[in-house]
Amino acid sequence: GQQLNQSPQSMFIQEGEDVSMNCTSSSIFNTWLWYKQDPGEGPVLLIALYKAGELTSNGRLTAQFGITRKDSFLNISASIPSDVGIYFCAGHTGTASKLTFGTGTRLQVTL
Amino acid sequence: GAVVSQHPSWVICKSGTSVKIECRSLDFQATTMFWYRQFPKQSLMLMATSNEGSKATYEQGVEKDKFLINHASLTLSTLTVTSAHPEDSSFYICSARAANTEAFFGQGTRLTVV
Repeated sequence: GQQLNQSPQSMFIQEGEDVSMNCTSSSIFNTWLWYKQDPGEGPVLLIALYKAGELTSNGRLTAQFGITRKDSFLNISASIPSDVGIYFCAGHTGTASKLTFGTGTRLQVTL
Repeated sequence: GAVVSQHPSWVICKSGTSVKIECRSLDFQATTMFWYRQFPKQSLMLMATSNEGSKATYEQGVEKDKFLINHASLTLSTLTVTSAHPEDSSFYICSARAANTEAFFGQGTRLTVV
């Protein structure tokens, strides 16, 4: 099935640094979502974006819905050790439609 | 956020046996439930979509006779892996969605077939 391309695939950063990751698609989506998955757990919704150009924050997390509706980015400011995990973007064209997941960005934070 | 509970969290079964995994929405009515499979270090791959009271819609390449999905009520969906083989070993995750809301995920089930 279709997947969204995420970059980087993985990143090692130091505690306190800012992190940026993005997600691109060949198709247009009406909604972009960002999830975090801890090892052995299901994904947890972090941020939902519904309008092209929209910039939304959730604590230290900020995400934007690209103007073309084919991309999105997620920033994490002042990273902490519990930010470790895999971050997935996901998109859909309506709540009645299925969710397409990105390839994931694995984040590791060192002290 | 809404709570989706998956049970069991992990299961080990012998080849040839069947295993049932339950997915419950605890505090909302789920009009649609989704079942995913995830291999190590990979993304979630959608297996099937189920709506309460109707047959599940399977993604291309997913055997519906092997992965039986039942969505008997607005709060419960089950996935049964029939005649399990070692290659069915994986992490299975469900998600549930109410009308006009985003999907919430269960905690996943680690299946190991020996």
